Amino acid sequence: GAVVSQHPSWVICKSGTSVKIECRSLDFQATTMFWYRQFPKQSLMLMATSNEGSKATYEQGVEKDKFLINHASLTLSTLTVTSAHPEDSSFYICSAQGAVSGANVLTFGAGSRLTVL
Amino acid sequence: QKEVEQNSGPLSVPEGAIASLNCTYSDRGSQSFFWYRQYSGKSPELIMFIYSNGDKEDGRFTAQLNKASQYVSLLIRDSQPSDSATYLCAVGTNAGKSTFGDGTTLTVKP
Repeated sequence: GAVVSQHPSWVICKSGTSVKIECRSLDFQATTMFWYRQFPKQSLMLMATSNEGSKATYEQGVEKDKFLINHASLTLSTLTVTSAHPEDSSFYICSAQGAVSGANVLTFGAGSRLTVL
Repeated sequence: QKEVEQNSGPLSVPEGAIASLNCTYSDRGSQSFFWYRQYSGKSPELIMFIYSNGDKEDGRFTAQLNKASQYVSLLIRDSQPSDSATYLCAVGTNAGKSTFGDGTTLTVKP
């Protein structure tokens, strides 16, 4: 079945540093990738929509200069949290669309748990 | 009003019972509907998707869609403790995005 690889699965960093998270579709070309953030016991919050070769579309309230998204190819999207602060600590999850032709079915990565000290 | 609404639960059922999870949506033009399961600390995984009115069955799971009532449900027959998770209802938009509900937490007690 369709697989989306996301890494690192967890990362701890110091405040002020930048962290890059990668999301790869392993056996299909992802027409669109999405990035979510989820705080404990809360629902998924869509941060941005990423299409290969074009700028990401950010949801209202998400700082595009802080959360840099690059969609370099049909199989790779990256999220960089710049100048991370403790309030950025969260579970970041990517998903990819394209595994099922003609459908909006999402295949999720395993998620990346970020802790900013 | 939220675009996709689910009862937050928790919903508790005994092992072997039927668990019924409900979801309503506000956009009458929505065309695709999904159920995802999310275990604690893990990312969501697709259970089923449904596009047409009526029922769609896959093993112990049945999705039901009623577009006139803007209602979609998920039935889990013969519930097992391993079904204990948060179930997310998602509605697909014309732009290709999915809007998620807040999820319903299900606990299946042995």
